[in-house]
Amino acid sequence: GAVVSQHPSRVICKSGTSVKIECRSLDFQATTMFWYRQFPKQSLMLMATSNEGSKATYEQGVEKDKFLINHASLTLSTLTVTSAHPEDSSFYICSARAPGTSGLSETQYFGPGTRLLVL
Amino acid sequence: AQKITQTQPGMFVQEKEAVTLDCTYDTSDQSYGLFWYKQPSSGEMIFLIYQGSYDEQNATEGRYSLNFQKARKSANLVISASQLGDSAMYFCAMSPYSSASKIIFGSGTRLSIRP
Repeated sequence: GAVVSQHPSRVICKSGTSVKIECRSLDFQATTMFWYRQFPKQSLMLMATSNEGSKATYEQGVEKDKFLINHASLTLSTLTVTSAHPEDSSFYICSARAPGTSGLSETQYFGPGTRLLVL
Repeated sequence: AQKITQTQPGMFVQEKEAVTLDCTYDTSDQSYGLFWYKQPSSGEMIFLIYQGSYDEQNATEGRYSLNFQKARKSANLVISASQLGDSAMYFCAMSPYSSASKIIFGSGTRLSIRP
């Protein structure tokens, strides 16, 4: 299947710093990528939809100024957590639409995730 | 409201037995897609199977099959001949037509396979 990578896989930072997470589709072009957050023992919650060449669409309750998303190319989307605080510690997962699928059968392939710990 | 419900937070199954993971959904959309994903302890989300709301036959993918009962709004995942490597979290998910590519996830079921 399609491969999506994330970097870094794990990051520890001090409170107040900014952290950038990269999501890459390795063997296909992705016009749309998605960013999710997963707290321990909970489900995935969609944060935003990242569209290549345009502004991201954020879900209700997600601060767009805190979680900056840039989808500069068809294979790369970045999520920057600005001025991170301990409550931002979570597992962040990106996904991209699988090539060759569309409509309701559109499958999303997920990256391996990034564990963020803010001290 | 769009919602996915998984009522089994955890299950234990003997190796080689079949297991059914329950999933019910709620949507007012006539068209929607249903998915199952597996999440091992490493955290990656692995796509398992897809069922469209207008598909007349239940979807199957190897040892995975989806028991789709539209009138009851249920989409249970059946894993036949379970293996130790099947131990993981399993998420049922839905993509409603009105939400355009957004996937709504259930709370998940942790499946543990006993040797």
